[in-house]
Amino acid sequence: QKEVEQDPGPLSVPEGAIVSLNCTYSNSAFQYFMWYRQYSRKGPELLMYTYSSGNKEDGRFTAQVDKSSKYISLFIRDSQPSDSATYLCAMSLSGNTGKLIFGQGTTLQVKP
Amino acid sequence: DGGITQSPKYLFRKEGQNVTLSCEQNLNHDAMYWYRQDPGQGLRLIYYSQIVNDFQKGDIAEGYSVSREKKESFPLTVTSAQKNPTAFYLCASSGRDGYNQPQHFGDGTRLSIL
Repeated sequence: QKEVEQDPGPLSVPEGAIVSLNCTYSNSAFQYFMWYRQYSRKGPELLMYTYSSGNKEDGRFTAQVDKSSKYISLFIRDSQPSDSATYLCAMSLSGNTGKLIFGQGTTLQVKP
Repeated sequence: DGGITQSPKYLFRKEGQNVTLSCEQNLNHDAMYWYRQDPGQGLRLIYYSQIVNDFQKGDIAEGYSVSREKKESFPLTVTSAQKNPTAFYLCASSGRDGYNQPQHFGDGTRLSIL
């Protein structure tokens, strides 16, 4: 079993839809949680960075962490064609070397 | 502009050849990382360095080597011992204030076998 599981998709939605992207993990020691967006042939770009449980909002993006269920989510409101990309979740242990464990990535397509 | 520069964007390797991928950052970050990305497998850590002249193996270090002689630079050599080198290689860096600073990535080098 992988430490971090992410549905690879692809996920296709119409423009304006609410998108929910999810990851589950097995190691309860993870404390820091990130979402990256990666366009084709580019490096991942940090979207959201959260510590421990709770919600964090930034514009159309909301990151949610539920440590009791070992489950994290990224919600995208009013999705746009420019949101079409691969979304990677990542997490790390508290006080560790900064080593990140990544999910496999979910490919999202937003159709105009 | 501050950022991470990886070069070249595309690289081809012949059998038995070593190749070196460049990674330079001007973010004044102490920590630097190399990842390999394969389709459907996410990113896997090859090597990381928290400070100049020090580095540690990641999960898939076999067939790779690194050096960290300068804070700004963390080159990765893919040796002939790496039998399946075709992949997208990503370099990242992060601040050292608590190692859990978020990592920022370059735009990658795509390595293929001739």
